[in-house]
Amino acid sequence: EDQVTQSPEALRLQEGESSSLNCSYTVSGLRGLFWYRQDPGKGPEFLFTLYSAGEEKEKERLKATLTKKESFLHITAPKPEDSATYLCAVQAPSGNTPLVFGKGTRLSVIA
Amino acid sequence: NAGVMQNPRHLVRRRGQEARLRCSPMKGHSHVYWYRQLPEEGLKFMVYLQKENIIDESGMPKERFSAEFPKEGPSILRIQQVVRGDSAAYFCASSQLWGQGLNEQFFGPGTRLTVL
Repeated sequence: EDQVTQSPEALRLQEGESSSLNCSYTVSGLRGLFWYRQDPGKGPEFLFTLYSAGEEKEKERLKATLTKKESFLHITAPKPEDSATYLCAVQAPSGNTPLVFGKGTRLSVIA
Repeated sequence: NAGVMQNPRHLVRRRGQEARLRCSPMKGHSHVYWYRQLPEEGLKFMVYLQKENIIDESGMPKERFSAEFPKEGPSILRIQQVVRGDSAAYFCASSQLWGQGLNEQFFGPGTRLTVL
């Protein structure tokens, strides 16, 4: 059974204090690994897709990396507006299959 | 450039009533997924549909729940005889065709169902 584990569950950072969020996965063949941001009361907002080990993608202060067993979301010099829950999801290789989500990391950035 | 649209945003039902949740996918998207999010839980897959076809309903309870995506109009998730345990946020997502770079799922704002 495909599984996704995210850590830590919650993370509190001072503004400017860089850190990383972890997503460990077990899937029978990885089609893609997805990162989303979710603000309270809203739907998940797509951030990145990673397809193969060694791949990296960046967007503003966020950088996502992928290995064969885990992905990291690095946050450089975060700002209070980066506060949100960050969700990781994996997709198995056969067609447009559903995503399997982790429970998320709740990030708080304090000014 | 409308994204995925869901309505209503909030829905209150009494136990035993029916709930109908609607989802219009992004323009050009032909795949629709429904997910449920319980408090302190992750998003859980319920059902995957294409126009007039249910592709995968392995995450949907066998009783009281049904889904459709007709040739015309939005996708509908229907919950009959709701119980308090159905209270949750229900999200719809849509994607394009199969293929790298085209299978990202984009989510709507969700419908928050409260069962009294």
